[in-house]
Amino acid sequence: GAVVSQHPSWVICKSGTSVKIECRSLDFQATTMFWYRQFPKQSLMLMATSNEGSKATYEQGVEKDKFLINHASLTLSTLTVTSAHPEDSSFYICSAGTGGEAEAFFGQGTRLTVV
Amino acid sequence: GENVEQHPSTLSVQEGDSAVIKCTYSDSASNYFPWYKQELGKGPQLIIDIRSNVGEKKDQRIAVTLNKTAKHFSLHITETQPEDSAVYFCAAIRGVRGYNKLIFGAGTRLAVHP
Repeated sequence: GAVVSQHPSWVICKSGTSVKIECRSLDFQATTMFWYRQFPKQSLMLMATSNEGSKATYEQGVEKDKFLINHASLTLSTLTVTSAHPEDSSFYICSAGTGGEAEAFFGQGTRLTVV
Repeated sequence: GENVEQHPSTLSVQEGDSAVIKCTYSDSASNYFPWYKQELGKGPQLIIDIRSNVGEKKDQRIAVTLNKTAKHFSLHITETQPEDSAVYFCAAIRGVRGYNKLIFGAGTRLAVHP
């Protein structure tokens, strides 16, 4: 299957600082990528749709000014958590499709801890 | 929009037994139904999927069935092994080429005991 890589796999940051998470499609191009958030023992909740070359589309209740998404190329999308607070601590996961079928492939996730 | 319900939330079986997880969806236009396995601290891994033009699909010990009329689909794992222990998520989507906005069920925590 297609490979989606996320970096970093875990990060600890101080409250008030910003953190950037990268999502790369390694062997295919993705015009659309998706960012999910997952709290412990819960399901994946879609945060936003990242569109190459245009603004991201955010789900209801997700603050676009806090979770900045940039999809600068067909293989890279970034999620920046700005002015992070302890309640932003979570597992963030990206996904992408190859464009040929409906399958979505997920990155390994990034565990963010804000202290 | 789409809503996916998944049951049970936890499932405990003995090694060698079968495990069945069930999901229902609300949007009759959904046409693609993947199942993901998520191990602790990792991203979801696609294990099997089914499209609306197919009623059943099998891959070794894993099978998925789809009932479009009732709008439900199920994951069947036979001859379970301890390494099958994980959280399993079902999802549904109105699949469009290259656009994979998945709606997930709540997940099922499967424990396989030796």
